[in-house]
Amino acid sequence: EAQVTQNPRYLITVTGKKLTVTCSQNMNHEYMSWYRQDPGLGLRQIYYSMNVEVTDKGDVPEGYKVSRKEKRNFPLILESPSPNQTSLYFCASSLKQGATGELFFGEGSRLTVL
Amino acid sequence: QKEVEQNSGPLSVPEGAIASLNCTYSDRGSQSFFWYRQYSGKSPELIMFIYSNGDKEDGRFTAQLNKASQYVSLLIRDSQPSDSATYLCAVGDEKLTFGTGTRLTIIP
Repeated sequence: EAQVTQNPRYLITVTGKKLTVTCSQNMNHEYMSWYRQDPGLGLRQIYYSMNVEVTDKGDVPEGYKVSRKEKRNFPLILESPSPNQTSLYFCASSLKQGATGELFFGEGSRLTVL
Repeated sequence: QKEVEQNSGPLSVPEGAIASLNCTYSDRGSQSFFWYRQYSGKSPELIMFIYSNGDKEDGRFTAQLNKASQYVSLLIRDSQPSDSATYLCAVGDEKLTFGTGTRLTIIP
């Protein structure tokens, strides 16, 4: 069964405390991406990765880092979280090779930064 | 900045009728277009994609693309209460831009 697994699903943290949201897919796909979803603003792309060791900025990369050391994992790192990073985060993997817009989303991670 | 515009709704449609959802986009060079459905509290789910001008049908869903007018639409025939959700239009390839979504309610 195709899966994109995110952890944690819910997190409350404080300003400045580094955190990592993990994302793992079991479809052996090259393309992965992170989005944040905020009321009235919709889904906005943070970072994406076309392949191992290849990452690129999306529309809202400020305050985030990513790494892609192996194909299945694409963690999102918040080095010094701030309240404006309170959001619902989705990781996604492409459903098939070469179709980077045909995405399969994880269940989401709701992050609150106090 | 590429833009994708959708009417936020809510759009209310009687059960059994046709629901019509619309989306316009700003980047004339866009080649790939997608419709995602998102139930409340759930993650988005791909329901249609279209890459060429014209219509594409899949069951009760039809996606329509008009690149000259920079317009893409989704028609849902024989609407069911289970179609009640937010529908997200997305445009692009590796850099995918989403609209803010249209909330659709099917009235039994």
